[in-house]
Amino acid sequence: GQSLEQPSEVTAVEGAIVQINCTYQTSGFYGLSWYQQHDGGAPTFLSYNALDGLEETGRFSSFLSRSDSYGYLLLQELQMKDSASYFCAVKQGGKLIFGQGTELSVKP
Amino acid sequence: DTGVSQDPRHKITKRGQNVTFRCDPISEHNRLYWYRQTLGQGPEFLTYFQNEAQLEKSRLLSDRFSAERPKGSFSTLEIQRTEQGDSAMYLCASSLPRDRGYETQYFGPGTRLLVL
Repeated sequence: GQSLEQPSEVTAVEGAIVQINCTYQTSGFYGLSWYQQHDGGAPTFLSYNALDGLEETGRFSSFLSRSDSYGYLLLQELQMKDSASYFCAVKQGGKLIFGQGTELSVKP
Repeated sequence: DTGVSQDPRHKITKRGQNVTFRCDPISEHNRLYWYRQTLGQGPEFLTYFQNEAQLEKSRLLSDRFSAERPKGSFSTLEIQRTEQGDSAMYLCASSLPRDRGYETQYFGPGTRLLVL
């Protein structure tokens, strides 16, 4: 079977750093993506890791360890607008297999 | 380019009726994907196209669901004999070809379906 595990909820304060972990078990693996989705909105792409290591894009960084079937999304200098759901997704051939999402609440 | 567009944005139908949704991808994107999302869950893959060819269809997808992309541009998703369990947000996404960054999928705003 295929499964992705990520925490259901995370709460942090403005200006803080938060890490959202994702572990996966899939029959095929091309890479790990992260998407952000605000309430009522469409998922938007944040990052993609095909190889082990850290990818940095502004305040967001994403890490992958293929040997551990593990990745994380790191959000720095949290802002209120970062309150949203964050999904890890395994790229399997052409399609994405999504986790159930982590709801991030940023408090003032 | 204005991004991926979907029509309609909302659809209410009665059980047993057929519904059809349309998706217009970003121009130059030859790959088009359909996903379904229910409240509190991540998007669930349904099917995807490369140009007009349907390359993969989820094994979970009922025979009541059919998708087309006849000219390799817009796509339609039809659900026949709708059931209450079909109520969900139907998301369309598109991406560039494999050799030009297909790892990034751009999602449309979705069509929210409610089956009464």
